[in-house]
Amino acid sequence: GQNIDQPTEMTATEGAIVQINCTYQTSGFNGLFWYQQHAGEAPTFLSYNVLDGLEEKGRFSSFLSRSKGYSYLLLKELQMKDSASYLCAALDSNYQLIWGAGTKLIIKP
Amino acid sequence: DTAVSQTPKYLVTQMGNDKSIKCEQNLGHDTMYWYKQDSKKFLKIMFSYNNKELIINETVPNRFSPKSPDKAHLNLHINSLELGDSAVYFCASSQEGGEINTGELFFGEGSRLTVL
Repeated sequence: GQNIDQPTEMTATEGAIVQINCTYQTSGFNGLFWYQQHAGEAPTFLSYNVLDGLEEKGRFSSFLSRSKGYSYLLLKELQMKDSASYLCAALDSNYQLIWGAGTKLIIKP
Repeated sequence: DTAVSQTPKYLVTQMGNDKSIKCEQNLGHDTMYWYKQDSKKFLKIMFSYNNKELIINETVPNRFSPKSPDKAHLNLHINSLELGDSAVYFCASSQEGGEINTGELFFGEGSRLTVL
């Protein structure tokens, strides 16, 4: 079966760095997405990785290892507004998105 | 201008009723989707639809039916509502270009359905 695993909840301190991990098992693979979802709002796109390595975009970076079926989202210089759920999703061979349940990130002052 | 808009944002109704949620996108995208997000926050695909093909998740009860009057609209109609249908329903769209589909989705704000 197809599966996405990520931690349910994480807590970090304002100004610090946090890494949210995601492992995936899919029928074929056409890329890995990270979305941010604030409570009561729609998910918004953060990143897309299809090749191995690190993609940096401002305070956020996303890493992919295809051989390990593993990705992480790295958030630096955490701000209170980063408190949200972070959803990992893999694109399978049929270009269907398989979603994780999301990681709720709590930022403390 | 809102890229993907859906109405109503909140809907409270009784079991057994029939209701619809409307969705419109002004991005010129070819494909639209309906997702259900339950209390455990899993996003589950219900339907994806473009001009050529309707793909239905086989786990979706046939009480749910998508209706697309045109490329920019995909409405969700639900018959005989049940308590378990209570969830947030998200409409989304994406642009598919030939064989390349990065899959980036643009979501509407969600419609919170509560069935009493």
